[in-house]
Amino acid sequence: SAVISQKPSRDICQRGTSLTIQCQVDSQVTMMFWYRQQPGQSLTLIATANQGSEATYESGFVIDKFPISRPNLTFSTLTVSNMSPEDSSIYLCSVAPQGYNEQFFGPGTRLTVL
Amino acid sequence: AQSVTQLDSHVSVSEGTPVLLRCNYSSSYSPSLFWYVQHPNKGLQLLLKYTSAATLVKGINGFEAEFKKSETSFHLTKPSAHMSDAAEYFCVVTLGSNDYKLSFGAGTTVTVRA
Repeated sequence: SAVISQKPSRDICQRGTSLTIQCQVDSQVTMMFWYRQQPGQSLTLIATANQGSEATYESGFVIDKFPISRPNLTFSTLTVSNMSPEDSSIYLCSVAPQGYNEQFFGPGTRLTVL
Repeated sequence: AQSVTQLDSHVSVSEGTPVLLRCNYSSSYSPSLFWYVQHPNKGLQLLLKYTSAATLVKGINGFEAEFKKSETSFHLTKPSAHMSDAAEYFCVVTLGSNDYKLSFGAGTTVTVRA
């Protein structure tokens, strides 16, 4: 399995600002994912962040709004840029370790934009 | 395209009675299917998974699910609900035959009455 931590666990931000969320894994993994969970909703995949390549974004998500870094096999960041109240959500990272079919999720970052 | 439908947005049961959470999927190939649980203000935890082996899958905390290809279903059951089972449950399907990207159902909220 994999143990995943995220920072910050929660934050309250002003509109127009940006927040960078960190995701740290306790083992080396190639595949890492970022999800958004809007209030009362299910999870939606934002992008796939594989080490050594540019992040791949899902329909409706763009790099200018959600830039992602993946500098090594244990770490990734997601930035929520130029925030608006509609960006208030829980943001989760997950990993798919080699040999596992399932994904392991971090605890999430609860973002509130005022 | 692959997708998953959770037929009940909310299920309420009495403690000690059976729990049934219904999930149907659509897929053009044989997918991997998962059930995840999310307790309030917590991350997602894998309950069980189906990956083309035994069709009756046993998971943690007494949960099990049966993959029925003819009915394209993957319903989750537990013979006796416990208060600690109150949570949000997500049925999840892989998006591609060799793809670790996941598609989440809308979720089912389970409440347990004493």
